[in-house]
Amino acid sequence: EAGVVQSPRYKIIEKKQPVAFWCNPISGHNTLYWYLQNLGQGPELLIRYENEEAVDDSQLPKDRFSAERLKGVDSTLKIQPAELGDSAVYLCASSVQGSIEQFFGPGTRLTVL
Amino acid sequence: KNEVEQSPQNLTAQEGEFITINCSYSVGISALHWLQQHPGGGIVSLFMLSSGKKKHGRLIATINIQEKHSSLHITASHPRDSAVYICAAWSGGNLIFGKGTKLSVKP
Repeated sequence: EAGVVQSPRYKIIEKKQPVAFWCNPISGHNTLYWYLQNLGQGPELLIRYENEEAVDDSQLPKDRFSAERLKGVDSTLKIQPAELGDSAVYLCASSVQGSIEQFFGPGTRLTVL
Repeated sequence: KNEVEQSPQNLTAQEGEFITINCSYSVGISALHWLQQHPGGGIVSLFMLSSGKKKHGRLIATINIQEKHSSLHITASHPRDSAVYICAAWSGGNLIFGKGTKLSVKP
């Protein structure tokens, strides 16, 4: 069975450009997480979905970040416009609803120049 | 102060050495995870525990709920164990991550 799929794996953009990341969770996993991981730090939650509903987006910088999970399966995280400080790894994870075991994707490493 | 603290931040060992990574947390938790992250970003869950001790191969994880402390031990370390090890506490419906311990095992 396929794990959590993320694309692209790497992205380099200039500041002020938009960027989007895509995540396809493990089949049957209702809960989807987007995390931001800065170098030398642990992941920090950006947003958590239960099916198509964002149940925790308190840490999402809504002035430039947006996310959607329209059909409750795959999800897109967007940054517009990107800033230098957004350079980081963006991780997606999924779990069965109510389970504390999360499965992580390989991440997207974003570099903003 | 971070809610989940790990030590040491960096660790270099010789192949075969016994390794201990520590994790302390200040929040109430229902479970604690130990995760492994290799260069390239992918994170793999090693253990989930809420009490006592778990063992898988050369890896052992312990937790002391009263002291709010957990340890990850690696016996007979090997260069392929080189990775970042992250402790994460399940609290309030979310995982709270430590900053990770970067382990490098030299042959």
